Amino acid sequence: AQSVTQPDIHITVSEGASLELRCNYSYGATPYLFWYVQSPGQGLQLLLKYFSGDTLVQGIKGFEAEFKRSQSSFNLRKPSVHWSDAAEYFCAVASTSGTYKYIFGTGTRLKVLA
Amino acid sequence: DAGITQSPRHKVTETGTPVTLRCHQTENHRYMYWYRQDPGHGLRLIHYSYGVKDTDKGEVSDGYSVSRSKTEDFLLTLESATSSQTSVYFCAITGQENEQYFGPGTRLTVT
Repeated sequence: AQSVTQPDIHITVSEGASLELRCNYSYGATPYLFWYVQSPGQGLQLLLKYFSGDTLVQGIKGFEAEFKRSQSSFNLRKPSVHWSDAAEYFCAVASTSGTYKYIFGTGTRLKVLA
Repeated sequence: DAGITQSPRHKVTETGTPVTLRCHQTENHRYMYWYRQDPGHGLRLIHYSYGVKDTDKGEVSDGYSVSRSKTEDFLLTLESATSSQTSVYFCAITGQENEQYFGPGTRLTVT
């Protein structure tokens, strides 16, 4: 079955520390891969996406993610977290043809300590 | 900004009443989606549309119906609301590079 797993429900880091959020997927073929961020009471905002090519992708707000085919992973990273990064982060996959139906992970809530 | 609006933004309704949520987009996108978001479940697809009058079910479609009579509008109807349908509902469209853009959400409470 197709699925996306975000093993960490909550993560707490200190401001200025590095961050890595994990995402693993199960899919028939390499799908499109995405990371979204959601601030409280808001909709989801696209951080970055991977379709093909370079496995390290850069996104907005200083985030990057690395696709590792052998591990079926697409982990999100940021070298130095800012207090404004506190939010919920969702990994998602989508088929590469047809209706582009997305499958979302259950999210990781990030707390940033001053 | 993909020009997506949702109405209403908040609604409280009673069990057994019908409810319709509206999603409106201004950029002529072909694909539109309705999701519900619940704690611990992420976003789950209810229904989606791939054109006017062309819709299909998602993973949690029971108790919901949709209609799309115009490209810009995608309606989600709860025929007889139940407490289990208390949730936040998001509309989304697919952009030109297969990324999805989301509306601001509708918070629905069924009492």
